[in-house]
Amino acid sequence: AQRVTQPEKLLSVFKGAPVELKCNYSYSGSPELFWYVQYSRQRLQLLLRHISRESIKGFTADLNKGETSFRLKKPFAQEEDSAMYYCALSGRGYGNKLVFGAGTILRVKS
Amino acid sequence: EAGVAQSPRYKIIEKRQSVAFWCNPISGHATLYWYQQILGQGPKLLIQFQNNGVVDDSQLPKDRFSAERLKGVDSTLKIQPAKLEDSAVYLCASSLSETQYFGPGTRLLVL
Repeated sequence: AQRVTQPEKLLSVFKGAPVELKCNYSYSGSPELFWYVQYSRQRLQLLLRHISRESIKGFTADLNKGETSFRLKKPFAQEEDSAMYYCALSGRGYGNKLVFGAGTILRVKS
Repeated sequence: EAGVAQSPRYKIIEKRQSVAFWCNPISGHATLYWYQQILGQGPKLLIQFQNNGVVDDSQLPKDRFSAERLKGVDSTLKIQPAKLEDSAVYLCASSLSETQYFGPGTRLLVL
């Protein structure tokens, strides 16, 4: 069964501090992992895919298959990063069906 | 490009009433998804369409929920009769490949 767990409901950091959002997953095969973000009063949107290995808005994603973890990192938080972040998993052969975690609220304080 | 459109944005009904939600996906997107997001939880897939065929409806409570995608474009999701626990945001998404694009959602409150 596919399962995604985000252990932190809320992460509060100061502007300029590093950010690391945690995600743990359970999947028997080789999953595709995503970070989706929802800013206040905006739609849910894709932030990063692990397979793309790119940096978006200063964020990078780190997949550790041994620990079945998928972390979202940014070295220096900005106030505009404040949002709800969802980790999601898609299994190969599941028709791109996404299984989401419960989300982590990131609050960046000035 | 225009995004995924949903209506209505908000709906309040009493339990045992029926309700319908509408979704217009991004033009050309063959795959359409309906998710239910209960407060404090992540979105949960209810049904996935590929063109006008159902790919996955394993988590759709079929005794009360139904969905259709006639002509492979717009889609409607219906609840009949509604229960208190159906209070949630109903999200529609569409995709051409791996990336899903979400609509603004319909917030349903069942009293």
